[in-house]
Amino acid sequence: EPEVTQTPSHQVTQMGQEVILRCVPISNHLYFYWYRQILGQKVEFLVSFYNNEISEKSEIFDDQFSVERPDGSNFTLKIRSTKLEDSAMYFCASRNGLAVYNEQFFGPGTRLTVL
Amino acid sequence: AQTVTQSQPEMSVQEAETVTLSCTYDTSESDYYLFWYKQPPSRQMILVIRQEAYKQQNATENRFSVNFQKAAKSFSLKISDSQLGDAAMYFCAYRSANTGNQFYFGTGTSLTVIP
Repeated sequence: EPEVTQTPSHQVTQMGQEVILRCVPISNHLYFYWYRQILGQKVEFLVSFYNNEISEKSEIFDDQFSVERPDGSNFTLKIRSTKLEDSAMYFCASRNGLAVYNEQFFGPGTRLTVL
Repeated sequence: AQTVTQSQPEMSVQEAETVTLSCTYDTSESDYYLFWYKQPPSRQMILVIRQEAYKQQNATENRFSVNFQKAAKSFSLKISDSQLGDAAMYFCAYRSANTGNQFYFGTGTSLTVIP
């Protein structure tokens, strides 16, 4: 069964450094998402992406964040200058846009630790 | 913004017994979807069950069923005949049927199944 995959599973970086989190959505899916979960808190929506542009973003998704679908298979989240408070689990999700319930399929997450 | 509340951070159940996980939400909308996702340790979230708000009949999926009380804005998950493989973090999620496509998640309930 197709799955959303994410790499790396764990990323450790120094404050101020740039990180790129990678996701490979399910191949026939058209809508892509990033969520994050700070330890002990809710899973929070960051951004949704459709037709090569951002369709919706939350207040968390400020100028330090960007997303890209560079090659038709990968979907990346870049944090330009990481802060301590960016430490969290980052989940990628995708959906095909045709499902009646608009179910989102989630990846296993990337744990980002900012030191 | 919509909020989803899971008031039970941890629950435990004896194998083969039944357990109910609670979820409440706050919305002014009349049309929306509700979901329960399961996240086993170090694995991605997978959909357990879903409910459309306009359907009065409670959704069921094998051993999983919901008690959807629209007026009370309550959406609890019942797991019957609990199995060791049910041990996981369970997230309740809300999605509007009309505006945007992001999910709003609760903080999760960690379910332990005791052999």
